[in-house]
Amino acid sequence: GDSVTQTEGLVTLTEGLPVMLNCTYQTIYSNPFLFWYVQHLNESPRLLLKSFTDNKRTEHQGFHATLHKSSSSFHLQKSSAQLSDSALYYCALSYAQGLTFGLGTRVSVFP
Amino acid sequence: DMKVTQMPRYLIKRMGENVLLECGQDMSHETMYWYRQDPGLGLQLIYISYDVDSNSEGDIPKGYRVSRKKREHFSLILDSAKTNQTSVYFCASGASSYEQYFGPGTRLTVL
Repeated sequence: GDSVTQTEGLVTLTEGLPVMLNCTYQTIYSNPFLFWYVQHLNESPRLLLKSFTDNKRTEHQGFHATLHKSSSSFHLQKSSAQLSDSALYYCALSYAQGLTFGLGTRVSVFP
Repeated sequence: DMKVTQMPRYLIKRMGENVLLECGQDMSHETMYWYRQDPGLGLQLIYISYDVDSNSEGDIPKGYRVSRKKREHFSLILDSAKTNQTSVYFCASGASSYEQYFGPGTRLTVL
């Protein structure tokens, strides 16, 4: 079945440095929708980015990601991390029944 | 302002008791979902509802059932709760599987 892999469980970095979170997926569908959700402490997940267009960069709130179907990847990047970016980030894949989520990557940004 | 509500927000039950978690949405979305979130396991889909009385099992339906009698309302029922059902439960709704809006969550503890 469909699956999403996030290789980092925890990412710690200093404010101002770049951050990249890895996301790869497996699906039988040739046109998947990929998403990044962000969940701050004691809050619910909310949509950060979405894409279904191959090789097109999508941006929101300083974050960006590009769907690469050739490598089944949808990595999340930001050029300069802020303290407020500390959160749990989920990559997700849309399929007929709903969303399949990765296990999540916790990002901790320190001053 | 689009909104998904969940009641109660916190609940403590004893093993063997019945549990009712309620979810509402004001966006007239056809599709609604129940997830549970556990540390290290991410978000796991319990049930999905495509509309009134049109429900489908997700990835982990065992021990749960759902009810949807009105489009704006979706209930999750635990008959005879077990300690391993202690978790945070999120309801979500969406016009399609391409984007989901999450409620604030219910933290359930089964003693």
